[in-house]
Amino acid sequence: GEDVEQSLFLSVREGDSSVINCTYTDSSSTYLYWYKQEPGAGLQLLTYIFSNMDMKQDQRLTVLLNKKDKHLSLRIADTQTGDSAIYFCAEKSGGYNKLIFGAGTRLAVHP
Amino acid sequence: DAGVTQSPTHLIKTRGQQVTLRCSPKSGHDTVSWYQQALGQGPQFIFQYYEEEERQRGNFPDRFSGHQFPNYSSELNVNALLLGDSALYLCASSRRGDQPQHFGDGTRLSIL
Repeated sequence: GEDVEQSLFLSVREGDSSVINCTYTDSSSTYLYWYKQEPGAGLQLLTYIFSNMDMKQDQRLTVLLNKKDKHLSLRIADTQTGDSAIYFCAEKSGGYNKLIFGAGTRLAVHP
Repeated sequence: DAGVTQSPTHLIKTRGQQVTLRCSPKSGHDTVSWYQQALGQGPQFIFQYYEEEERQRGNFPDRFSGHQFPNYSSELNVNALLLGDSALYLCASSRRGDQPQHFGDGTRLSIL
């Protein structure tokens, strides 16, 4: 079946690294995505990784994919207060572009 | 370069009414998907439109219907509104349907 799971809450100190974890069930997923949602807004595409990759780095963001364990993580280096938001992991499911989302991880950054 | 735009931003309806939400895709995109996001949850896929046809549908009743126009814009229609339809409705667009989806800011629908 299709299911994506995330921890619900993460609190970090400003300047530290944040690591948000996600597990998915569809082994045929070709792409996995990270989106950011700020209060009252839609979803902002942060980054994505193709299933044949292990890692992708994009400025302060690092995505790690363990396909054997169906585990995806997003590391944010030097976390800032502006990074406070809800982060969603999503997998592309099926032949078309249907996305299956987790429930989201709320990241709180404190001084 | 305008991103995905949705209208209206907020809407209040009563049970049993009908509603139409609108979406204009990002420039260069031809595929539109609709998602429902209930409070505190992740978005749930409703359906996807490509070449003016519904290409894929999630687990939503027939009360939810849509349309895509020749200019790639799209509408989501919901009939016989229920209290449980209260949610943020998100539109996402992509190119060819297999590229990353970009989302609008959504329409917040409240049912009284």
